[in-house]
Order: sequence, then C-alpha cells, then structure tokens
Amino acid sequence: EVQVLESGGGLVQPGGSLRLSCAASGFSFSNYAMSWVRQAPGKGLEWVSGIDGSAINEYYADSVKGRFTISRDNSKNTLYLQMNSLRADDTGLYYCGRAIFGVVTCDYWGQGTLVTVSS
Amino acid sequence: DIQMTQSPSSLSASVGDRVTITCRASQSIANYLNWYQQRPGKPPRLLIYPASSLHSGVPSRFSGSGFGTDFTLTISGLQPEDFATYYCLQSYSAPWAFGPGTTVEMK
Repeated sequence: EVQVLESGGGLVQPGGSLRLSCAASGFSFSNYAMSWVRQAPGKGLEWVSGIDGSAINEYYADSVKGRFTISRDNSKNTLYLQMNSLRADDTGLYYCGRAIFGVVTCDYWGQGTLVTVSS
Repeated sequence: DIQMTQSPSSLSASVGDRVTITCRASQSIANYLNWYQQRPGKPPRLLIYPASSLHSGVPSRFSGSGFGTDFTLTISGLQPEDFATYYCLQSYSAPWAFGPGTTVEMK
C-alpha cells in the first residue's frame, strides 16, 4: 500500500527555521518525483516545491525561492523541506505528494503537517 | 509565470444536478491541466489528468475537457459525496500553479 507521512511541523517564530520530512512506503521511491503543497487556514492550495526522482532538478514557487530547500534521501525513502526565514504567511498545512507524471501531478498525499509562524 | 483562474468561486446545487466548473490559464498550457477534489479536512484527490482523462477509480460522472487556455470540469449527476472544493492545476511549466478553487455547496 502506497503511503506518505509528513512530520516536523510546529510553532516557530518569524525568521526561524523548520525542517519537514515526508516518509514514503509501498512504492519504489527513487522512481517518482515528489512535491510539497501547502494550504493556509481557510485558503486554497498552493504548490510550494518539487524534485525529480534522482534529485537532479529542484523547483520552487516564487514565494519560497531562496528561503526553502527541497531534498530527498532515496536510501531512506524520505523527502525533506528545509524552511528558513519563515514568515507569518508561511503558516499552513503542508502536504507531500507522489507525482505520477512530471513533478506536480500527484496521486497520493499524506494528511499534512501543520506549520504555524507566530511570535 | 502562468496564472490560473476559476469560475465560479462557489455554486449551490442539488443532488442529481449537472455542474460545470471553468478554469482558464493566462497562456496556452496545451492539455497539461489537472483537476483535484478536496473535501474538508482531507488532502487533495486527483480526478482528471491530462485535461480529459479520468484518474483510476474516479467515477465516470466526472469529465473534463479543453485545450490551450480554457478547460471545464463537469459532474453529471451530483452525488452527496461530491460537495467539496475543486481545484485546477497547470502542470505545463514551473512554477506550477493551482487555480483559486470552486466550492460546490448543497442548495
């Protein structure tokens, strides 16, 4: 059974850092690109970042470029999102997804991990 | 960057109704268009990719059409579990972008 499980969210002060993890199981992780998508409270979905299966190509939304870094460890079947210089508008539920086509067409998602940026 | 718009932002409908949601891209994206459904408190669910192909396990009452800049999602015979928010997503070029969403509410 395909599963992805996000973790690492929490409360952080503006300007702080957080690293999210996404543990994958039930599929050949290195064969799939992965993406992070977030959702601010009561708002719509926003694509944040994506990475191909070999970790050669990384992609970022303009809103996080230069502050967030996506990475993956295929030996541990885990996806990461390092988030630095966090702002209040980064608050939201962060989902990771497995891409079945390209980097962003995701068929399996976790339940999300909540990031709250507040003083 | 490619911008996505959706209309309407919300609609009220009854079980059994036919519902159509429109998505427009700011430039041509060929057929690189995904449709997702999101129920409250749940992650997104892939319905259609690309543009008109139903994802595995999605009921046939869902259909998609369009090419270039204009796309539609149609639900033929709305069911109780279909009351949700629907998002389009362009997968043509990075940075990829969702539309703002269309909420289908019970009349």
